[in-house]
Amino acid sequence: EMQLVESGGGLVQPGGSLRLSCAASRFTFSSYWMSWVRQAPGKGLEWVANINQDGSEKYFVDSVKGRFTISRDNARNSLYLQMNSLRAEDTAAYYCARGYSYGDYWGQGTLVTVSS
Amino acid sequence: IVMTQSPATLSVSPGERATLSCRASQSVSSNLAWYQQKPGQAPRLLIYDASTRATGIPARFSGSGSGTEFTLTISSLQSEDFAVYYCQQYNNWPPTFGQGTKVEIK
Repeated sequence: EMQLVESGGGLVQPGGSLRLSCAASRFTFSSYWMSWVRQAPGKGLEWVANINQDGSEKYFVDSVKGRFTISRDNARNSLYLQMNSLRAEDTAAYYCARGYSYGDYWGQGTLVTVSS
Repeated sequence: IVMTQSPATLSVSPGERATLSCRASQSVSSNLAWYQQKPGQAPRLLIYDASTRATGIPARFSGSGSGTEFTLTISSLQSEDFAVYYCQQYNNWPPTFGQGTKVEIK
């Protein structure tokens, strides 16, 4: 069965940076759009960003534009989310998901906490 | 696009039918998905394109609707179905989710 495993979450101060990773296995990673979706504690879901198969197209929700960057390394079957200028409202579990507009498979998530 | 789900909580007995509603603030055509989420777990795709079951999803889950009004029906609730359900539109960027409906044991 296909697998997505996120890593890189943790506690960071406001204004700080963090890089999340998502390791994919048991499917042809390079053939799929990939996305990041987040969920604040006890709250609903928010689509953050997505990236096409070769990394030439990227889209971001307005709340993270200019602060977050999405990238991928198809040779390593990995997806990344570089998060800069972090704010308290970025505190959430971050999930990677396979797909452009809906996620047919999701990882278990990594928790990012932005607090001083 | 704002997605509104109702009710917020649905109390149902095992074996009964559950009907969950989702309304979009403008037409999303049939570009709508439903997810199930259990505590401490990632969302699981149930339905996409408003009515197509995802791989491995039991037939007791069905989706219907188009435009602005959508429904997820669980024909006979099993113990493993008690969870939070989210609808999500993907007709416009960014994809947006409803606030969720919690299905709890009556």
